[in-house]
Amino acid sequence: DAKTTQPTSMDCAEGRAANLPCNHSTISGNEYVYWYRQIHSQGPQYIIHGLKNNETNEMASLIITEDRKSSTLILPHATLRDTAVYYCIVPRNYNDYKLSFGAGTTVTVRA
Amino acid sequence: NAGVTQTPKFQVLKTGQSMTLQCAQDMNHNSMYWYRQDPGMGLRLIYYSASEGTTDKGEVPNGYNVSRLNKREFSLRLESAAPSQTSVYFCATSIGGNEQYFGPGTRLTVT
Repeated sequence: DAKTTQPTSMDCAEGRAANLPCNHSTISGNEYVYWYRQIHSQGPQYIIHGLKNNETNEMASLIITEDRKSSTLILPHATLRDTAVYYCIVPRNYNDYKLSFGAGTTVTVRA
Repeated sequence: NAGVTQTPKFQVLKTGQSMTLQCAQDMNHNSMYWYRQDPGMGLRLIYYSASEGTTDKGEVPNGYNVSRLNKREFSLRLESAAPSQTSVYFCATSIGGNEQYFGPGTRLTVT
């Protein structure tokens, strides 16, 4: 997997947008960016993925820079239930089967 | 529609005992995975099954065996449990690729 760098932790106010950065400067042209999160004591949850265009679903938006060296996951209206560890993953190829979960970013949403 | 289910939820074993962790999915996904997560650490892939009838080693396969019983079920067996296998075990599924869906986990303690 391409190496990813994320901040260790960040805080966010409830109701505000949470912007989670990820650096993946060694990404190659056909590698996707995936985001997962893990709420305490639960299994990881898939959030979103993208190649080069911005993506949006019911959970979040993913903004990938034009050079693809970094991306930002946006939770538009953070709630207390969004408190979790967020993982940015760049698998080696689309069917790699071997996701590599690093340390991620611990996001704490505060009331 | 239960998604991915795992049994048991909790288990305590003595060193040298054996047990099988069960995973079942009703998502009609081809691929299934077993991960372990040690306290404060990321997930590590133990074994995966890209499709019914095939299994492959992941990052940390030693001490484990797996069986892909059918498309729905993928079991993980510890033949002779060791304290180093104390962990939370997660099963996951995917249609084929990196959008994986995880079960709730089995918390295993080996004394």
